Amino acid sequence: AQSVTQPDIHITVSEGASLELRCNYSYGATPYLFWYVQSPGQGLQLLLKYFSGDTLVQGIKGFEAEFKRSQSSFNLRKPSVHWSDAAEYFCAVGGTGGGNKLTFGTGTQLKVEL
Amino acid sequence: KAGVTQTPRYLIKTRGQQVTLSCSPISGHRSVSWYQQTPGQGLQFLFEYFSETQRNKGNFPGRFSGRQFSNSRSEMNVSTLELGDSALYLCASSSPQGQAGAFFGQGTRLTVV
Repeated sequence: AQSVTQPDIHITVSEGASLELRCNYSYGATPYLFWYVQSPGQGLQLLLKYFSGDTLVQGIKGFEAEFKRSQSSFNLRKPSVHWSDAAEYFCAVGGTGGGNKLTFGTGTQLKVEL
Repeated sequence: KAGVTQTPRYLIKTRGQQVTLSCSPISGHRSVSWYQQTPGQGLQFLFEYFSETQRNKGNFPGRFSGRQFSNSRSEMNVSTLELGDSALYLCASSSPQGQAGAFFGQGTRLTVV
């Protein structure tokens, strides 16, 4: 069964500092991997995705993520955080065998200190 | 291009009642998935519909059901509501194989009292 682990429940960074959110997945084949962001009371917004090719993927809002098969990881990074980045971030894995079932991690709540 | 639209945004129901939630996907997307989000259980997959057929199903009781219409719009129904069904219900639409990712609506906040 597929699973996703986000080991950090809460992270606090200062505005302008760099950010890395961790994600580890378990999946029997090559997965589709995603990062989503959710503001309070809102739906999920897709930040970026990986399904093949270059292991470093660029997303919206200046975010990037690197797929490392050997570590089963897909960490999200941003070089300089803005106060508006404060939100909850979810890593998700999807199957490549057809269908759109996503398995989500428990999320990381990001707080940005001014 | 319009995004995923979910109606209603907020709903209050009494225990034992039933509820129907609606989702209109992005134009051209034929796959619609539903998720339940709660503070305790996080985001959990309910089911996916593609071309009016249920393609995937999560581990929820039979009180949770759904359907999809020929125009790809989807409805989700919960019968005999329980207090624990209080949650944010999210709908997502996708291309058939999911490579582009799932695009979510704003959700329906269901409160069962």
